[in-house]
Amino acid sequence: EAGVTQFPSHSVIEKGQTVTLRCDPISGHDNLYWYRRVMGKEIKFLLHFVKESKQDESGMPNNRFLAERTGGTYSTLKVQPAELEDSGVYFCASSQDRGSPQHFGDGTRLSIL
Amino acid sequence: GDSVTQMEGPVTLSEEAFLTINCTYTATGYPSLFWYVQYPGEGLQLLLKATKADDKGSNKGFEATYRKETTSFHLEKGSVQVSDSAVYFCALSHNNDMRFGAGTRLTVKP
Repeated sequence: EAGVTQFPSHSVIEKGQTVTLRCDPISGHDNLYWYRRVMGKEIKFLLHFVKESKQDESGMPNNRFLAERTGGTYSTLKVQPAELEDSGVYFCASSQDRGSPQHFGDGTRLSIL
Repeated sequence: GDSVTQMEGPVTLSEEAFLTINCTYTATGYPSLFWYVQYPGEGLQLLLKATKADDKGSNKGFEATYRKETTSFHLEKGSVQVSDSAVYFCALSHNNDMRFGAGTRLTVKP
């Protein structure tokens, strides 16, 4: 089966611009998660979807970040406007059930100049 | 809240050396514990896991034992290879919330 795919693999934008990251979970996985690793620090949870609903968005850093999962399939994470401190690697993961192992994508490396 | 602390890297070893990467956790209740690995240019892959105290997870020659008394889940391998060079993340899952450590970069030299 195809794994979790993320696009783009790398994005370089200027401060103040907008960027949209996309995640395609494994087919049939209702649970979709976004994480971020900034500056070599720990991987931090951003939010969790169950199908199209936001189950937990307690990790979203501020209102410049908007995540959507229309139709309960792929998800997008938009950063608008991007700031320097948003640079990092954004990981997406999916799981079939709560408590099932999460399968991770390769991540999107976001660089804000 | 729940948290994971793992030894800081980077760690550089010669091939066939013994590897230990320390990991301790703080959590209420009984979390599941994991080690994930990120090889260069790839995403996170689950390396091994343990779901209850005294369980030993193992895969690809790596082992880790869930020690409740010391709240630890140290990763070990008896003889590392160049292909083991990667970043290793310790993680816990409690009520389906995952918490990761900061990652430890391992470089194995021939």
